[in-house]
Amino acid sequence: EAGVTQSPTHLIKTRGQQATLRCSPISGHTSVYWYQQALGLGLQFLLWYDEGEERNRGNFPPRFSGRQFPNYSSELNVNALELEDSALYLCASSLAWVAEETQYFGPGTRLLVL
Amino acid sequence: GESVGLHLPTLSVQEGDNSIINCAYSNSASDYFIWYKQESGKGPQFIIDIRSNMDKRQGQRVTVLLNKTVKHLSLQIAATQPGDSAVYFCAENQRIQGAQKLVFGQGTRLTINP
Repeated sequence: EAGVTQSPTHLIKTRGQQATLRCSPISGHTSVYWYQQALGLGLQFLLWYDEGEERNRGNFPPRFSGRQFPNYSSELNVNALELEDSALYLCASSLAWVAEETQYFGPGTRLLVL
Repeated sequence: GESVGLHLPTLSVQEGDNSIINCAYSNSASDYFIWYKQESGKGPQFIIDIRSNMDKRQGQRVTVLLNKTVKHLSLQIAATQPGDSAVYFCAENQRIQGAQKLVFGQGTRLTINP
């Protein structure tokens, strides 16, 4: 069974541009989570989607947004890119949004903002 | 704010020895904890989890201990192998008003010396 997949693997943008990152969850998983992992830091929670709805949001500005599609795949959009947005963006999926559902991670998209 | 932290940022052990990675958490309401392993260039990989109604849980060569009295979590890896070299993150599942998110510690880099 395929795991969580993310595209692209690498993305290079310049300040002020927009970035779109994509995630496909494990088949059967309805919840998708996004995390930011800046160099040398831990994972910071960004967004959580379940059944097409945004369920929770981390402490990030509104220029970080996303959506979940009917097939449960998800997009993360980052507008007006800043240098400090350079990071590894990780997507995870879980079977449902009930508590204690293990999140399984994809390989991430490495975003570099120049 | 509430956070999950690690006592040691780096740990080196000899191949074949046992290793213990520690984690402190501050949210006493959290009821689910997970350990992830992240190898270079990859997304976090689920290792083992534990619910707050348990003190200990064992997997293959790994054991997680939970001490709710002092809000401490540890991961024990027995008979370490070179492939165990990675960054290990503890994560705490926080639930607030029906929404949930994983809060990660900063990570401990485990190096297995031959």
